Amino acid sequence: GNSVTQMEGPVTLSEEAFLTINCTYTATGYPSLFWYVQYPGEGLQLLLKATKADDKGSNKGFEATYRKETTSFHLEKGSVQVSDSAVYFCALSDRSNAGNMLTFGGGTRLMVKP
Amino acid sequence: KAGVTQTPRYLIKTRGQQVTLSCSPISGHRSVSWYQQTPGQGLQFLFEYFSETQRNKGNFPGRFSGRQFSNSRSEMNVSTLELGDSALYLCASSLERTSTDTQYFGPGTRLTVL
Repeated sequence: GNSVTQMEGPVTLSEEAFLTINCTYTATGYPSLFWYVQYPGEGLQLLLKATKADDKGSNKGFEATYRKETTSFHLEKGSVQVSDSAVYFCALSDRSNAGNMLTFGGGTRLMVKP
Repeated sequence: KAGVTQTPRYLIKTRGQQVTLSCSPISGHRSVSWYQQTPGQGLQFLFEYFSETQRNKGNFPGRFSGRQFSNSRSEMNVSTLELGDSALYLCASSLERTSTDTQYFGPGTRLTVL
């Protein structure tokens, strides 16, 4: 079956530090990959996505590259801000499911200190 | 364009009762999916509806059911509530149901079962 593994948190960084959150996946088909972010008391917001190998998704300074050879989709940001404090979820949607059901990783809490 | 809306935002029920949650997708979106979020199990897929038909179902007991109306609005129902059903229930909509489509999430309904 499909699965997504993320590094466990919390990840605590100082403002302007470099961020990496690791994400690896297992899929039976050829998945699309997503990063969602959840702020306290809210639903999930799409941060970025990539739908084929070597695609790079980017948004608000965050980037992630779809690496088929390493089955990874690591999230990076060059300089984090306090406002980036949230929980980040890596997810996949597998074409072989004939739908867009999302399989999520366990989430990584990021805390950014001033 | 208005986002995904869910009602109610908060619910408190007692064991054995039943509950109905409602979701209005983004205008023009035809696919609606439901997810359960708990601290222990994370984000888990419940079911997906498209054109008033259930297309995919996650690994949940039959007490969990749903439906979709002709205007794409969806409801989910949980009968004979158990303490373990306490969770944040998230609804997501997408334009179509391919794996590359982005799912947009609502703010969720927080259900507490006492």
